[in-house]
Amino acid sequence: DVKVTQSSRYLVKRTGEKVFLECVQDMDHENMFWYRQDPGLGLRLIYFSYDVKMKEKGDIPEGYSVSREKKERFSLILESASTNQTSMYLCASLKGLAGGLAVFGPGTRLTVL
Amino acid sequence: QKEVEQNSGPLSVPEGAIASLNCTYSDRGSQSFFWYRQYSGKSPELIMSIYSNGDKEDGRFTAQLNKASQYVSLLIRDSQPSDSATYLCAVNMNSGYSTLTFGKGTMLLVSP
Repeated sequence: DVKVTQSSRYLVKRTGEKVFLECVQDMDHENMFWYRQDPGLGLRLIYFSYDVKMKEKGDIPEGYSVSREKKERFSLILESASTNQTSMYLCASLKGLAGGLAVFGPGTRLTVL
Repeated sequence: QKEVEQNSGPLSVPEGAIASLNCTYSDRGSQSFFWYRQYSGKSPELIMSIYSNGDKEDGRFTAQLNKASQYVSLLIRDSQPSDSATYLCAVNMNSGYSTLTFGKGTMLLVSP
């Protein structure tokens, strides 16, 4: 069964901490994405990667960075967490062009105090 | 700003009725269109994709696309309480990448 996994379902961090969210897919997909989902704002794209070591900014990259050293793993980094980064973070992967199936991970609920 | 618009709802229908969910998008060059279903507390799951004008049917679901009107819809026939969820419209805008722009979703409530 194909799968996207995320390192944590729930995470609580303090303001100013460096936070790592990890996503792993086992489908050999080229494309991986990080979204955040907030009530009333929907899913918003933070960063995406279309190949190893390649990354592109999405709609709301400020305050975030990413790393993709291996094809199966895509990490989202909050350099200095702030309370406005409290959100549900969703990772997704996709093979080839958007005509394929995008598979989402279970999400990480991050709370920054 | 390239946008995907959906009515937030909730859309309430009785069991057995047809639910009609609508979506408009701003980028006329968009090529690929998707409907995702998201249950409360869960991640989105793809239920339909459509790429050309007209209708595409899959079981109780029918996706409809009208590129001239920049309009996508999802019909759910014989609605069941288990269909109660938020439905997200997603569009691959003409960006050259495989990114999806999502609408904010329409909540569907199917009452027994």
